[in-house]
Amino acid sequence: DTGVSQDPRHKITKRGQNVTFRCDPISEHNRLYWYRQTLGQGPEFLTYFQNEAQLEKSRLLSDRFSAERPKGSFSTLEIQRTEQGDSAMYLCASSLALGHPNYGYTFGSGTRLTVV
Amino acid sequence: AQKITQTQPGMFVQEKEAVTLDCTYDTSDQSYGLFWYKQPSSGEMIFLIYQGSYDEQNATEGRYSLNFQKARKSANLVISASQLGDSAMYFCAMREGRGYNQGGKLIFGQGTELSVKP
Repeated sequence: DTGVSQDPRHKITKRGQNVTFRCDPISEHNRLYWYRQTLGQGPEFLTYFQNEAQLEKSRLLSDRFSAERPKGSFSTLEIQRTEQGDSAMYLCASSLALGHPNYGYTFGSGTRLTVV
Repeated sequence: AQKITQTQPGMFVQEKEAVTLDCTYDTSDQSYGLFWYKQPSSGEMIFLIYQGSYDEQNATEGRYSLNFQKARKSANLVISASQLGDSAMYFCAMREGRGYNQGGKLIFGQGTELSVKP
């Protein structure tokens, strides 16, 4: 297993367009998290899944954002009608569930979104 | 509400010297975990060290140690024998809750940019 993979690494889009990012977690990890990180700031939590169930969504996740994890494996994050304020690094992480003795987070390299 | 505060936006250290990066946290939960991550300019988040709220010993991982003071709600990272490759952003983070279906998300601080001088 090569870790958490995110695709694409970079995305430039025009304001108003829709974009979709993909995250492939470590295969045995049943939890998957999405974060957003703007320049000079720490990552901000967006949402997370346990298997295919979306267990928590941040208030940051407006109705233009939607995330899915249909088969409990990879996940997609879609942003509709992008705005310049959506420009950020979008990080994905995966983990085993809390309580597992090997609990720990593995992050992907992120997708950098630029809205022009 | 849970919160992580890192009050040092930037730090400089001479190569081979030790440096302490500050982190304070706020939580009402008795069970929580504290993490430190390194983020080089390439962007990936690299796990450094973990401290559980019930751990009595301070965590250590190679050149990294965590100075955990529970009563003060602080979890400072100490890097010994700094190397040029340690130059990066460092984030403190907290996870609340325990149990299979509880919690799980990390809350991050604002980060500290560490520069190691030759």
